[in-house]
Parts: sequence; C-alpha cells; structure tokens
Amino acid sequence: DVKVTQSSRYLVKRTGEKVFLECVQDMDHENMFWYRQDPGLGLRLIYFSYDVKMKEKGDIPEGYSVSREKKERFSLILESASTNQTSMYLCASSLGGAADTQYFGPGTRLTVL
Amino acid sequence: AQRVTQPEKLLSVFKGAPVELKCNYSYSGSPELFWYVQYSRQRLQLLLRHISRESIKGFTADLNKGETSFHLKKPFAQEEDSAMYYCAPINFNKFYFGSGTKLNVKP
Repeated sequence: DVKVTQSSRYLVKRTGEKVFLECVQDMDHENMFWYRQDPGLGLRLIYFSYDVKMKEKGDIPEGYSVSREKKERFSLILESASTNQTSMYLCASSLGGAADTQYFGPGTRLTVL
Repeated sequence: AQRVTQPEKLLSVFKGAPVELKCNYSYSGSPELFWYVQYSRQRLQLLLRHISRESIKGFTADLNKGETSFHLKKPFAQEEDSAMYYCAPINFNKFYFGSGTKLNVKP
C-alpha cells in the first residue's frame, strides 16, 4: 500500500510567519503534488514536481514555494502566511504523472490568525 | 472559465434509489478521467478510473465525448456511499478537480 504522510494534521500560525508543510511518500513515486481544498472550490493545484529539484507551478502558486531535495519528500513553504491561506492542504503522489492514480495524504488543516 | 463543473453541491437520495453525480469538463484533448471519493474522516482516494473500465462499489462512469461529460452512476445507493465525490479529468498539463458533490444517502 502506498503511504503518503504529512507532518501535521492541524497547524495554527500567525500572520507573517514562515510555515513549512512536509509530505513524505514511501513508494518511490516520481511525481508529487500540493493542493489546497476549500469548500465550494474543490481541490486547486498549487505546485507539482516530476523529479528531484524539479517544480512546476499549478493554478494558484502565489504566496507559496516548494522544495524537493529528495525523491520521497516534497515541502510546501508559505514565506509569509496570510489569513487567506487558511485552508486544508493535501499532498499527493503518483507513479506515472498527474494522469495516473494519485495517492493522497491525510491533509493538514492550517489556520492563520 | 470554469474547466470542470459538478453542478450539484449536495445530492440527497434514499437508500436503494439510483444516483447520478454529474461532471462536465470544458477542455479539449483526451484527458484521463477519474472520480475520487472522500469518506468522513478519511483521506481522498481513487474511486474509479475510466481507462480501467472497472465497476467499483457498484459505481460506473460513462464518458460522453461529444458532451465532454463523465457522470458517475449507481443503480442502488447504500448508506455507506455517503461521501464527497470529486470528478477529475486530467491531461498531462491540465489537471483540475471539480468542486465536489456531497452525496447523502438517507436510510
């Protein structure tokens, strides 16, 4: 079974803080993704990565950056958190690209005060 | 422009009734077509993928290329089908999820 884990289930931060969300997968998948999930908006892609040190912008990259130094780990960084970044953040991985089955982590619910 | 439309935010049916969750997409090409499901307090997971042509938990999905629709159907809904359902037509460089439909199956 593919296992995708995220570092925190719940996180509370203050406006302006730098926030790191970590995601680890254990199935040697090439592709990893960060989404945010908001009611009524579904999932929106923030960034994805097809390989170590590679990254591509998704639909809503503004205010976020990512890092992929190792194949199994994909980090999402909020350089200066703002209240409109309060959301559920989902990480996913897949073997054969986005058009292959994506395996999701449990999510991190981030609240920015 | 909205790329993936799931017109119903909430769909309530009684147990044993047929259910259809609609999905329309507005981009061209031949995307891979997925339905993902999220049960209460569980992670998002694949329900079915068009290319595999499998029926999962009694659900099937019909592709209508002319209408660019990929509706999810089940002839007899069960209470355990209550969940959030997301349609995802995915190309190599276009992957959008719909806004989701919450299915509530009443006893």
